[in-house]
Amino acid sequence: DVKVTQSSRYLVKRTGEKVFLECVQDMDHENMFWYRQDPGLGLRLIYFSYDVKMKEKGDIPEGYSVSREKKERFSLILESASTNQTSMYLCASTLRVDRKDEQYFGPGTRLTVT
Amino acid sequence: GDSVTQMEGPVTLSEEAFLTINCTYTATGYPSLFWYVQYPGEGLQLLLKATKADDKGSNKGFEATYRKETTSFHLEKGSVQVSDSAVYFCAQNTGGFKTIFGAGTRLFVKA
Repeated sequence: DVKVTQSSRYLVKRTGEKVFLECVQDMDHENMFWYRQDPGLGLRLIYFSYDVKMKEKGDIPEGYSVSREKKERFSLILESASTNQTSMYLCASTLRVDRKDEQYFGPGTRLTVT
Repeated sequence: GDSVTQMEGPVTLSEEAFLTINCTYTATGYPSLFWYVQYPGEGLQLLLKATKADDKGSNKGFEATYRKETTSFHLEKGSVQVSDSAVYFCAQNTGGFKTIFGAGTRLFVKA
């Protein structure tokens, strides 16, 4: 079974702090994604990566950056956390996008910025 | 643009009731269709999928049939249990990097 893990389940940070959220998948998937999930807004794509060191902006990249130095690891960075970034963050991976494969999700990180 | 529309919740049912959650999509290509489930405090997990017209996906008593003529992929279960209480997401992927998710439908099942 594919396993996607995220570094923290719950995180509390102060406004202005730099925040790192890490995601690791163990099935050699090429593609990895970061979403945020907010009540009434569903899942919104922040960034995705289709290969090591390659990244593309999603629908809401402002205030975020990402890093993919190794195939199995995809990090989301909040350069200067703000209260409107309080949310549930979900990481996902998929093997082949051209085959319309399903995505495998991690358990999520609930981030609170105070 | 491509989209997924699913019925608003919450849906509240008694145990052993029949469940239908409606989902329709618009797509420029020929998408794969998915239902994901999210239990409280967890990430999404794939419930079932269908990759072409008239395919039926099924898992854990849930079923959905890919209907190209009505652009629908409704989720059904004949007899729900309390443990089915969760949020259900319909989604589509036409082969690009973006999977389009519906807004989610919360299901409550009462004992």
